[in-house]
Amino acid sequence: QVQLQESGPGLVKPSQTLSLTCTVSGGSISSGGYYWSWIRQHPGKGLEWIGYISYSGSSNYNPSLKSRVTISVDTSKNQFSLKMSSVTAADRAVYYCARDGGGRLRWYAFDIWGQGTMVTVSS
Amino acid sequence: QSALTQPASVSGSPGQSITISCTGTSSDVGSYNFVSWYQQHPGKAPKLMIYEGNKRPSGVSNRFSGSKSGNTASLTVSGLQAEDEADYYCCSYASSSPLVFGGGTKLTVL
Repeated sequence: QVQLQESGPGLVKPSQTLSLTCTVSGGSISSGGYYWSWIRQHPGKGLEWIGYISYSGSSNYNPSLKSRVTISVDTSKNQFSLKMSSVTAADRAVYYCARDGGGRLRWYAFDIWGQGTMVTVSS
Repeated sequence: QSALTQPASVSGSPGQSITISCTGTSSDVGSYNFVSWYQQHPGKAPKLMIYEGNKRPSGVSNRFSGSKSGNTASLTVSGLQAEDEADYYCCSYASSSPLVFGGGTKLTVL
């Protein structure tokens, strides 16, 4: 059974780069043709899709965040990562990694989620 | 402001049915069959309840169903139970994004 686990610093200074990693266990990130996403949730607010990457490295991002975000995949470590530059207090949120179900057929829906990790931006 | 519009709250009594709407545009909900619904309990990660508009993942109760008419998708929960009390979010493929969420709806079981 595939599971996802986010990791990374819980505190980032303003103007610096937020870096998070999602480790995939119970299956290979390269098999099945799945796409892997980052999603965030501001405290007490709704969900915001950040971007996704495929097992082969093709990616797509939320236009509102595209200039600051990079998602990469490391198949040798069974991980994918998020980097968000020039963070401000507005980037304080719970960050989730998630799998797009359906594999190559693409559900454009997230069937497996990590537990989420809170990131605070403060000096 | 969220791309998809949901009511802030809905409520119902145990055993009743409720429907949550999710209104988009012809650039998202109206043009694609990629609407999904998520249930989120406090402090927990969201759980996929419906994908591709009306399909249930394995293990999701058949009390949850999805539909679409024009630019509006809907989630119906029948036979309300106390454990259904949670926040619900819709999500759609969109030509501009490509994935957008609704603002969320709090379901209260009276």
